[in-house]
Amino acid sequence: DTAVSQTPKYLVTQMGNDKSIKCEQNLGHDTMYWYKQDSKKFLKIMFSYNNKELIINETVPNRFSPKSPDKAHLNLHINSLELGDSAVYFCASSQPGGGTEAFFGQGTRLTVV
Amino acid sequence: GENVEQHPSTLSVQEGDSAVIKCTYSDSASNYFPWYKQELGKGPQLIIDIRSNVGEKKDQRIAVTLNKTAKHFSLHITETQPEDSAVYFCAASFSGTYKYIFGTGTRLKVLA
Repeated sequence: DTAVSQTPKYLVTQMGNDKSIKCEQNLGHDTMYWYKQDSKKFLKIMFSYNNKELIINETVPNRFSPKSPDKAHLNLHINSLELGDSAVYFCASSQPGGGTEAFFGQGTRLTVV
Repeated sequence: GENVEQHPSTLSVQEGDSAVIKCTYSDSASNYFPWYKQELGKGPQLIIDIRSNVGEKKDQRIAVTLNKTAKHFSLHITETQPEDSAVYFCAASFSGTYKYIFGTGTRLKVLA
């Protein structure tokens, strides 16, 4: 009965490759997010979507392209991976607009070699 | 820009002692302040939250206080146990912002 689930949990890939991370929530939330957690544990917002529409893009490089096929899913595709993309990526969801509890997935640890 | 400062970055306490983590936010529009606990290899999980119309909230050994005027809020954990060891994050948000601004995290170690 996982509320927010991400796949895969681990991803190791070479520089220059393209990869995707999938996220699904079964909480009935309208708003979903992607956060990046770097090696210092800092959590930074990347994108937020509401009912499949992009609301926030926090100056993320164009190589990152989120896609929301429906309001329960928010996937993240990354082109031409770079060493600096290595991090843990978290998907989250909440009631519309934020300002209430956000539920996080277990994270995807991406390692670019 | 929006910012949440969090201190200390690391905190070691003896089992049974209290732990206090402090945060300061910059955006006056913020009215929702959650605290998350992140255990190794897991995603952040909410442990307590407070809204700006309340000054204090308590849930068993955990309490949060908020000073809107000073834009400060704090997490208090009493009678700490080894299983409280984790990274704790404060955050600030408000409805319609579509994001949560997180503090830089506090690594809490409870020594048995």
